[in-house]
Amino acid sequence: DIQMTQSPSSLSASVGDRVTITCRASQGISNYLAWYQQKPGKVPQLLIYAASTLQSGVPSRFSGSGSGTDFTLTISSLQPEDVATYYCQKYNSAVWTFGQGTKVEIK
Amino acid sequence: QITLKESGPTLVKPTQTLTLTCSFSGFSLSTTGVGVGWIRQPPGKALEWLALIYWNDDKRYSPSLKSRLTVTRVTSKDQVVLIMTNMDPVDTATYYCAHRGIVGTTDNWGQGTLVTVSS
Repeated sequence: DIQMTQSPSSLSASVGDRVTITCRASQGISNYLAWYQQKPGKVPQLLIYAASTLQSGVPSRFSGSGSGTDFTLTISSLQPEDVATYYCQKYNSAVWTFGQGTKVEIK
Repeated sequence: QITLKESGPTLVKPTQTLTLTCSFSGFSLSTTGVGVGWIRQPPGKALEWLALIYWNDDKRYSPSLKSRLTVTRVTSKDQVVLIMTNMDPVDTATYYCAHRGIVGTTDNWGQGTLVTVSS
């Protein structure tokens, strides 16, 4: 099975900082990669699919890139409302898998 | 507007079978490309994908749980049912169902239902 590994597991940054989260697949998954945001106590929300396509309604400060095995989620200017855990997910085959999550906090 | 809602028992005993129902509206599971997935999240832990059923009745399961899972559709009621056998305390989690649409992955989720496994 393909494993999805996120790094870091947590980070603390200041408002306005550029934040980058990485997700690595143990085998190539083309661009079948999604990113979700889960705020504390809330339901996960789809941010990005197909590695770089922003879901409708998601602020443009979020962006995704990558293909194959290495992917990144970038928040161009961190806002207080971005405090959440972010998950990557592969969906390229019969088996879907989530990464272990990256918790983002405000410094 | 797509909505999904999970229902079922909040407490099950070890070794029992869990049956959860996902009731949805705003889409048809008969439409090409559409699916309904199940995901769970133990308290304080990460998301775990469980299963997916497609419009053509194709079904996919997590390899680690495949022997315990069954997903089926109730077409007449716009519902999808997840059955998990031999429940254990480690299966305590919030269980979500979600819509899989044209974006290829789950873009609308239910509110989730917390299931506790305890004697």
